[in-house]
Amino acid sequence: DSGVTQTPKHLITATGQRVTLRCSPRSGDLSVYWYQQSLDQGLQFLIQYYNGEERAKGNILERFSAQQFPDLHSELNLSSLELGDSALYFCASSVEESGELFFGEGSRLTVL
Amino acid sequence: GQSLEQPSEVTAVEGAIVQINCTYQTSGFYGLSWYQQHDGGAPTFLSYNALDGLEETGRFSSFLSRSDSYGYLLLQELQMKDSASYFCAVSHYNTDKLIFGTGTRLQVFP
Repeated sequence: DSGVTQTPKHLITATGQRVTLRCSPRSGDLSVYWYQQSLDQGLQFLIQYYNGEERAKGNILERFSAQQFPDLHSELNLSSLELGDSALYFCASSVEESGELFFGEGSRLTVL
Repeated sequence: GQSLEQPSEVTAVEGAIVQINCTYQTSGFYGLSWYQQHDGGAPTFLSYNALDGLEETGRFSSFLSRSDSYGYLLLQELQMKDSASYFCAVSHYNTDKLIFGTGTRLQVFP
């Protein structure tokens, strides 16, 4: 158990819909990262937050947005969903500058 | 741009030694990390090289050469449970974001 909690574990929805994925980082970790992993693909960096502020952005689509709340949990919002958005979405947290990320078990999104 | 290239697949037998290479085209990073991911599971941290040279953690060792833009993960005394995907990753200055390589699927055979 990494200490990072993601909900929901599985989500099935239709094209055009909107979903919210939730992440609670490890106690004490200020950084939260979101990654997308499509079938048999690598981990694509989406966005990073540090103590409530956006710190780095990857190839995140405009239809996607995220935020980190004062209690440090984070949410990833995916809207106008397309079939290609079906993927595992991982959240991770870290101690700064450690090179070590702790990943949650992921949220598997299926868009039909 | 930033890219980290790895072989797509490596196979080996139990008890053997295997090396997974990672070549990168990026600059300004703190260090090179390695992660293991079993099918359907979450990536888990294996090792981190902040400095050039070899880091050893049990059966796993990792190496970094910044001058050669190259690193590798060495797995010794392979076990069936080592069958998984392995990713190298770099953590960047200023942002701390971790960019992952293309990943290597390791299959260990009896």
